[in-house]
Amino acid sequence: AQSVSQHNHHVILSEAASLELGCNYSYGGTVNLFWYVQYPGQHLQLLLKYFSGDPLVKGIKGFEAEFIKSKFSFNLRKPSVQWSDTAEYFCAVNPWFSGGYNKLIFGAGTRLAVHP
Amino acid sequence: DTGVSQDPRHKITKRGQNVTFRCDPISEHNRLYWYRQTLGQGPEFLTYFQNEAQLEKSRLLSDRFSAERPKGSFSTLEIQRTEQGDSAMYLCASSPRDRGLSYEQYFGPGTRLTVT
Repeated sequence: AQSVSQHNHHVILSEAASLELGCNYSYGGTVNLFWYVQYPGQHLQLLLKYFSGDPLVKGIKGFEAEFIKSKFSFNLRKPSVQWSDTAEYFCAVNPWFSGGYNKLIFGAGTRLAVHP
Repeated sequence: DTGVSQDPRHKITKRGQNVTFRCDPISEHNRLYWYRQTLGQGPEFLTYFQNEAQLEKSRLLSDRFSAERPKGSFSTLEIQRTEQGDSAMYLCASSPRDRGLSYEQYFGPGTRLTVT
């Protein structure tokens, strides 16, 4: 079945540690890719997006993600996390086939806890 | 605050009752989406409007669910004869007019439905 997979459901890190969250999708053809973040008590916010061009995209708050088409992956990275990065992170895909460009398909999310 | 707003934020209802949720998108956004999110999962697409036209509905949207966007501005989502399985967070998102095919969606805070 076509889907979006996030490999880590829970991640615990200490401040200043590096972060990489995995995301793989199973849709062929052209896709738009997103990472959304949900801080405790807040709504979903866009962290970064990839539509075309440079496969390494930079987002807010020092986050970046790399699109590797051959691996159907869009992993999220941050070199040094802060306590304020504690949140839930969702990878989302916007597949273009059959007019599917209108909807986002989300992964199950990764809960990140950063300890001071 | 000119973001997406949803009302109510919380709703507790008894099984078998009807409920209606409202979403006000960002002004001048012509695209509006409804998603449902259950515990431990990412949001799942329910339906999509372009202006007042409902252009796509998920198979998740059973006959008990109906959504409208009568004047192409706010939208309502009604659930008839609620069931305990309907308990979830219902999210609304909007996106702006065509700028290429880069549909970036902005999410509201959600309505949390609890069916007892």
